[in-house]
Amino acid sequence: DAGITQSPRHKVTETGTPVTLRCHQTENHRYMYWYRQDPGHGLRLIHYSYGVKDTDKGEVSDGYSVSRSKTEDFLLTLESATSSQTSVYFCAISERQGDYGYTFGSGTRLTVV
Amino acid sequence: GESVGLHLPTLSVQEGDNSIINCAYSNSASDYFIWYKQESGKGPQFIIDIRSNMDKRQGQRVTVLLNKTVKHLSLQIAATQPGDSAVYFCAEHSGGSQGNLIFGKGTKLSVKP
Repeated sequence: DAGITQSPRHKVTETGTPVTLRCHQTENHRYMYWYRQDPGHGLRLIHYSYGVKDTDKGEVSDGYSVSRSKTEDFLLTLESATSSQTSVYFCAISERQGDYGYTFGSGTRLTVV
Repeated sequence: GESVGLHLPTLSVQEGDNSIINCAYSNSASDYFIWYKQESGKGPQFIIDIRSNMDKRQGQRVTVLLNKTVKHLSLQIAATQPGDSAVYFCAEHSGGSQGNLIFGKGTKLSVKP
C-alpha cells in the first residue's frame, strides 16, 4: 500500500495487557494518523503526528498513547487493553495536513478477550 | 474486513449499470472532499477528490459531483463491474491549511453479475 505497512496484521490479546501496534512508512511523509474502524462508526481518529516527537489527540484518544521517534515509524499503544478496544486499526500517512488525501495501510485486526 | 459493511446503507446494482453513491457532508466551510473505496479486509483506497471551487470532476469511469448549496457529494461509477463491490465513503476537510479529514460512515455497493 504505497510504502506503508502495519504490524501485526492480526492480534488477539487478553484484557489488561499492554499492546503496541506499529506503522512504518517509506514515503518520508510528515503526517501520520491512527484510526479505528467499527461497524456503525466509520473511521475515527485516535491520535496523529505532525512530525518527530510531535503528536496530538483525536476524537477517541482515551486509553491510547502514541510515539514517533523517527519519521518512518508511528506506534500506537494500548496501555491496558479492554474489550471495547476490539477493532480494526488503520494507519494513514499524508504529505501535508489539510486539503490533501491520506494513504492508508492494510489495517490491524485487534481482538481483546 | 467484512464487519465494515455491517449497519451500512447498501446499494445493489446490476453489472454494467451505472452506480450513484451519495454523501451529505456536515460543514458548509469544507473546502476539499475525497471518495475512498474499501474492499473487504483491506485499507481504504483513494478514488477521486474535488475542491470546493469545482462542481464536477471526472476520473476513469468515476465522476464526483459537488453541490455546495445542499452540502451534497455524489460518486458516479460508469459501467459498474463486480470488482467495484466495496464500501465507499466520503471525507471532507474544513480546516483551511490545518485540520484533519472527517470521514463519513459509508455505503456498501454490491454488484450482481
